[in-house]
Amino acid sequence: AQSVTQPDIHITVSEGASLELRCNYSYGATPYLFWYVQSPGQGLQLLLKYFSGDTLVQGIKGFEAEFKRSQSSFNLRKPSVHWSDAAEYFCAWLIQGAQKLVFGQGTRLTINP
Amino acid sequence: NAGVTQTPKFQVLKTGQSMTLQCAQDMNHEYMSWYRQDPGMGLRLIHYSVGAGITDQGEVPNGYNVSRSTTEDFPLRLLSAAPSQTSVYFCASRGRVFGANVLTFGAGSRLTVL
Repeated sequence: AQSVTQPDIHITVSEGASLELRCNYSYGATPYLFWYVQSPGQGLQLLLKYFSGDTLVQGIKGFEAEFKRSQSSFNLRKPSVHWSDAAEYFCAWLIQGAQKLVFGQGTRLTINP
Repeated sequence: NAGVTQTPKFQVLKTGQSMTLQCAQDMNHEYMSWYRQDPGMGLRLIHYSVGAGITDQGEVPNGYNVSRSTTEDFPLRLLSAAPSQTSVYFCASRGRVFGANVLTFGAGSRLTVL
């Protein structure tokens, strides 16, 4: 079955440190991939998306992600995290034919001062 | 332009009770969907609709009913609530032009079934 895996349930980094959150998708044609962020008690906000073209995509809040077909990955990165980045992050894959968005399990990010 | 509005934000039910979670969007989006979020499981699709009068099942449809009589509204009905339906529910909508729009989520509805 088509799926999205986020191997890290919880990550802790220090403020100002760099960040990489991992995301792998199972298989398929060129995927439509997304990263969403969810702050406590809030809905999901889109950080960035990849549909085609340049494999390095820029998003909001200083985030970027790189699509690597050979590794079936779409990892999220930020050079220097801020305390306000503490949240849960979800990778998602749009299954076009099925008209549905498949989400990973989520990665909870904690920022140490 | 309010986006996607969900009501209620919080609800407590007893087993066997019924209720409806409301979802409305003012963006004239054709596609609307309902997800449930459970710890460690991400978001799972319950039902979706590609337009008024058209609905289909997602990954976890059992115990839920939907209808789409208008473009704006997509209510989710629990006919006989069970403790396994304790979750946070999100409604999301997307415009018709695939690739030019992405899902816009509501703020969520937290449901507890005792």
